[in-house]
Amino acid sequence: SQQGEEDPQALSIQEGENATMNCSYKTSINNLQWYRQNSGRGLVHLILIRSNEREKHSGRLRVTLDTSKKSSSLLITASRAADTASYFCATAIIQGAQKLVFGQGTRLTINP
Amino acid sequence: DTAVSQTPKYLVTQMGNDKSIKCEQNLGHDTMYWYKQDSKKFLKIMFSYNNKELIINETVPNRFSPKSPDKAHLNLHINSLELGDSAVYFCASSQGEAQGALHFGNGTRLTVT
Repeated sequence: SQQGEEDPQALSIQEGENATMNCSYKTSINNLQWYRQNSGRGLVHLILIRSNEREKHSGRLRVTLDTSKKSSSLLITASRAADTASYFCATAIIQGAQKLVFGQGTRLTINP
Repeated sequence: DTAVSQTPKYLVTQMGNDKSIKCEQNLGHDTMYWYKQDSKKFLKIMFSYNNKELIINETVPNRFSPKSPDKAHLNLHINSLELGDSAVYFCASSQGEAQGALHFGNGTRLTVT
């Protein structure tokens, strides 16, 4: 299985509701990052949380990191139709060289 | 003023052909990457270059050959294309090796028939 695994694989909610996505990983990390990918586009960086941080906010985004459980969550509050996208967590690890390893993403659909 | 641009956006070709994808970044970053995204959206790193030096080569078949003529460019050449090479290929850049945010291009959708 992959270094980073998102849960759920797909999430569909009503506009205005909060969306929570989870990420689990296996090895020690330097930091964990969340990215958004709109259909047919490249990934866009949302937020980075370092291994010694527990929580971070950016606008309507809240990320938590629990290194003891090797897990992270991304909360999007007051969702909007424009938040419809795939969300990926990525872990910065050292395997020989430093690299960023992505999970398979959560497909989020916001229904108007 | 696109930060990371890759060409072409779409590439349709037959098995056995050789093709190249070009990537350029104008962010002044020193590290560039190629990622492959399969039909299940799984994104896997292929190569990474730091200051034109190859630092990551993730068990990619040697039919794939990256070339970095300078820090702002990282091209990907693929020989003898196979059906399984069909995917979306993303170029990305960062300042430093994977410690900060990656900036992605919009991808090249490669279809091998």
